[in-house]
Formats: sequence, C-alpha cells, structure tokens
Amino acid sequence: KAGVTQTPRYLIKTRGQQVTLSCSPISGHRSVSWYQQTPGQGLQFLFEYFSETQRNKGNFPGRFSGRQFSNSRSEMNVSTLELGDSALYLCASSPGQGTSNQPQHFGDGTRLSIL
Amino acid sequence: AQSVAQPEDQVNVAEGNPLTVKCTYSVSGNPYLFWYVQYPNRGLQFLLKYITGDNLVKGSYGFEAEFNKSQTSFHLKKPSALVSDSALYFCAVRASGGSYIPTFGRGTSLIVHP
Repeated sequence: KAGVTQTPRYLIKTRGQQVTLSCSPISGHRSVSWYQQTPGQGLQFLFEYFSETQRNKGNFPGRFSGRQFSNSRSEMNVSTLELGDSALYLCASSPGQGTSNQPQHFGDGTRLSIL
Repeated sequence: AQSVAQPEDQVNVAEGNPLTVKCTYSVSGNPYLFWYVQYPNRGLQFLLKYITGDNLVKGSYGFEAEFNKSQTSFHLKKPSALVSDSALYFCAVRASGGSYIPTFGRGTSLIVHP
C-alpha cells in the first residue's frame, strides 16, 4: 500500500507570494490533517478535512486555507507569505471514522523556505 | 482539553544501555496514547499505541511503552539503545470518544552515543 505522498518536497518563495501544497493520503483514508513544524513552536495543527469538509481547525490566520477533493486528496494554500511561514508542512491521513484509536500516517513533508 | 508534556528536550544515552523517553498526559476520560519517531527530513512514523488492556505495549524496532494511569504517564522504553535510534520522538494523546485530532508533545531528541 502506498504511503502518504506530499508534493513538492522543497519550495522556495518570496514574501508576499502564495503557495499551494499537495497531499495524497493512503488509499481508503478519508481524513487528512495538516501540521506546521518549526524548531521553536514544534508541531502545530492547522486543519483537518474529512469527506471534503473541514472538520477541525487550529489557531492559524485566514491566510492558511485548505480543501479536500472527492478522491480524498488535499491541498493547502498559504497566501501573502511571511518570513515566519518558513517551516516543514506535514500532512497526515487516517481512516477518520469509527473509533479514534487509529494512528495517523504522515508524509515526508514539504519544506517551505521564504526569502 | 487535552495536553501532553515531554519534560526533556534531549535525552543522551550510550549505545547498548537502556533508554527512557518520558511523557505525561492530561485528558478527560480514557486516553488513546501514541508514540511517533521522526528522522531528519522525514515525516513522523508510528511506533506504538495504547488503547486498553495490558499496561506494557510493544511496538516497532524493539520499543515498548508503559502506561501508568495513576501517574498519567506513558514512557517510551528500549532495553538496549542503538546509534540508529537517534531521532526526534513525539508522544500524542486523544480522548476516547473525542476528536480525531491528537495533541502532540513538543518532542524529545534522543541521542545515542557509540
């Protein structure tokens, strides 16, 4: 079974630009979550999508948005990039229904650098 | 609200010695507890989980974790550390019947010296 795939792996942008990151979950998984990881703040939850609907949201500004498609693939968009947005962005998938005792499966992330 | 504390930013251990990475949690109701490992430039990999039952849980790569309800702890252990175990370790908690979103600790960097 293929794992979680995130593209691209590396991205360099300048302040003010926008960026779109992509995540393909494990086949059959309907929940996709996004996290921002930085050395100072650790792992911070951005949002979760389930069956094309945002089900949970973290404490990030509206510049961070996402969506999920009918095949469960998800995209995350960040507009008006700031230097502080430089981070590793991780996507995680899980079945997302039934009991919540299933682990999340993570992709290898997209490393976003803002110049 | 749920929370996780990993009190040590870094743990150093010599190869061949036992290792412990500490985790304490706070959650309403019964907890589901997880340990993940992250190698440089990679995502988090699932190691093991506690759902119910035996307090000692065995996972991948020889790791195990001990659930202690009275101390609300879920420490990760390995009898004999390898240099290749050097990585960042995360503890996470969800409440049974609660949100599907876990709360992660800040991570502990494990360094195994040859």
